[in-house]
Amino acid sequence: DTGVSQNPRHKITKRGQNVTFRCDPISEHNRLYWYRQTLGQGPEFLTYFQNEAQLEKSRLLSDRFSAERPKGSFSTLEIQRTEQGDSAMYLCASSLAAGVADTQYFGPGTRLTVL
Amino acid sequence: GDSVTQMEGPVTLSEEAFLTINCTYTATGYPSLFWYVQYPGEGLQLLLKATKADDKGSNKGFEATYRKETTSFHLEKGSVQVSDSAVYFCALSGERGSSNTGKLIFGQGTTLQVKP
Repeated sequence: DTGVSQNPRHKITKRGQNVTFRCDPISEHNRLYWYRQTLGQGPEFLTYFQNEAQLEKSRLLSDRFSAERPKGSFSTLEIQRTEQGDSAMYLCASSLAAGVADTQYFGPGTRLTVL
Repeated sequence: GDSVTQMEGPVTLSEEAFLTINCTYTATGYPSLFWYVQYPGEGLQLLLKATKADDKGSNKGFEATYRKETTSFHLEKGSVQVSDSAVYFCALSGERGSSNTGKLIFGQGTTLQVKP
């Protein structure tokens, strides 16, 4: 068990640029979640996948955000035309869906700064 | 909609003091309840959880009891250590079949600082 990994750990970009983040879940986990966390706040849910199917997207996820999980393994989160308000920590978590309250394991996050 | 409210921090305690961090929730039915911890420079880690009313979750000397009648899940520890200094997040996941099944809804976090 190598844990959830995220790349890059830090990303600085200029407003209007596109960015893409990658998440590699724990290998046998079939669920993958994306959250966003701003300073002094708890994480906010963005979207989640079960295997390769995207089952839910938050209203927070504008049409500039897109996420994929091809083949049900790693996932990417892309933000197009970044805005300064997109600056945040983007967290990925994975779990093995096995009934009620499966435990989500979090990665270290990708910190995005939009200048 | 479902939500979680935590007591505001920071909470500053001396080593070996008793800790309580309050957490209340709003949700339909019987959500599952969690405490996550974020140590400085590290990712979120599950501390404990409870999936039904009156369940007590416990880990590393921390405890929390799922109280349906008061919609609360307060975190307690009898004797804190400097190494417990971290940010603590209370969270819920909706019951099976609800609109919030699976995803976690977090409180805003409570910073704990323990001084020697």
